[in-house]
Amino acid sequence: DAGVIQSPRHEVTEMGQEVTLRCKPISGHDYLFWYRQTMMRGLELLIYFNNNVPIDDSGMPEDRFSAKMPNASFSTLKIQPSEPRDSAVYFCASSLRQAGANVLTFGAGSRLTVL
Amino acid sequence: GQQLNQSPQSMFIQEGEDVSMNCTSSSIFNTWLWYKQDPGEGPVLLIALYKAGELTSNGRLTAQFGITRKDSFLNISASIPSDVGIYFCAGRTNYGGSQGNLIFGKGTKLSVKP
Repeated sequence: DAGVIQSPRHEVTEMGQEVTLRCKPISGHDYLFWYRQTMMRGLELLIYFNNNVPIDDSGMPEDRFSAKMPNASFSTLKIQPSEPRDSAVYFCASSLRQAGANVLTFGAGSRLTVL
Repeated sequence: GQQLNQSPQSMFIQEGEDVSMNCTSSSIFNTWLWYKQDPGEGPVLLIALYKAGELTSNGRLTAQFGITRKDSFLNISASIPSDVGIYFCAGRTNYGGSQGNLIFGKGTKLSVKP
């Protein structure tokens, strides 16, 4: 299995621009998570999906952030408009819910820099 | 909200030395996970713990689920240069329940001098 695939790996943009991050979870996994990592706050859960349905988006910072999962093999995290404080590494992770497991497999991350 | 206190924040050790790090919380957790993150990569699972008191090893790594369910530790024996990275603990409050209740510590950054 190729693991969780994220793109782009690096994105540099200017304040006010729209940013779209993409994720392909592991085939067969029924949960998908979006995390944000910064030095100050560590790993923060933004939103997660179960069977393509958003379950908890309480971690989404504000309305500028939105996430979709149109099918089991694809999800996007969009920031519009972007701001310098959005600069961080964004991770996508997926998991398969089963007794005794429920461990997350992370992608390599998308490093976002907003100038 | 629930928080995990992970310590130490960073460690500088000599190759061959043993390493110990831990996570504590005021909340009870039903699952403890330990992840390692290499530079430029995502966290990778090292060890998963599901029962209070459980002691699990993975090569030179050993982790324990505290009997109070409020803490966990990770030990690395005979460290080598490739052990360098950031180690995260993560705890979940609902066994088999909401996947979103996975709380991460702030990480322990390990540096190993050859």
